[in-house]
Amino acid sequence: SQQGEEDPQALSIQEGENATMNCSYKTSINNLQWYRQNSGRGLVHLILIRSNEREKHSGRLRVTLDTSKKSSSLLITASRAADTASYFCATGNSGAGSYQLTFGKGTKLSVIP
Amino acid sequence: DGGITQSPKYLFRKEGQNVTLSCEQNLNHDAMYWYRQDPGQGLRLIYYSQIVNDFQKGDIAEGYSVSREKKESFPLTVTSAQKNPTAFYLCASRQAISSYEQYFGPGTRLTVT
Repeated sequence: SQQGEEDPQALSIQEGENATMNCSYKTSINNLQWYRQNSGRGLVHLILIRSNEREKHSGRLRVTLDTSKKSSSLLITASRAADTASYFCATGNSGAGSYQLTFGKGTKLSVIP
Repeated sequence: DGGITQSPKYLFRKEGQNVTLSCEQNLNHDAMYWYRQDPGQGLRLIYYSQIVNDFQKGDIAEGYSVSREKKESFPLTVTSAQKNPTAFYLCASRQAISSYEQYFGPGTRLTVT
């Protein structure tokens, strides 16, 4: 079953604006990751935040994690047309000696030049 | 040039035929994964393998089979028992010991008519 749920499902902004995407999940996690997918392509890892971290930055990306609310947000600042893609959160869990990711349905971001 | 390759990019089959999707990685990663993605949806885990000659069912393994005879290769067979095989299939790998990040191939789009 899919644990993560992204919100909104679709987002359209002007180039230069900030884009915020949210992710909620249901069970306890070891970490949460964000991935990007260009149309018809594979996913690319963006950033990982561990369950004991609250905020993490990478370039124009800022991720927050609130384990008490079981939610995370991804902020892309000063968006560019090249940021147009679908963004997925994935929650990571270890159990029985294995590690798996559970993906949400994604937010489709359109950045208008 | 390191990475994950999937072939072919597009695959067409008639209903009732088995088909095998290729996934090869030269990253020396221990773990490999197969996901299915339907339009507008997130990724669902089909099978995963932590080490050679061992693999585990994911959330939607029915109608699929895999093998892991070599570390570099993790082929997926979509059998005629899979009720709705048309989808985008993504293979991923992970360096199990040191990282939680998954690296994805470009995907194979399978159409069964």
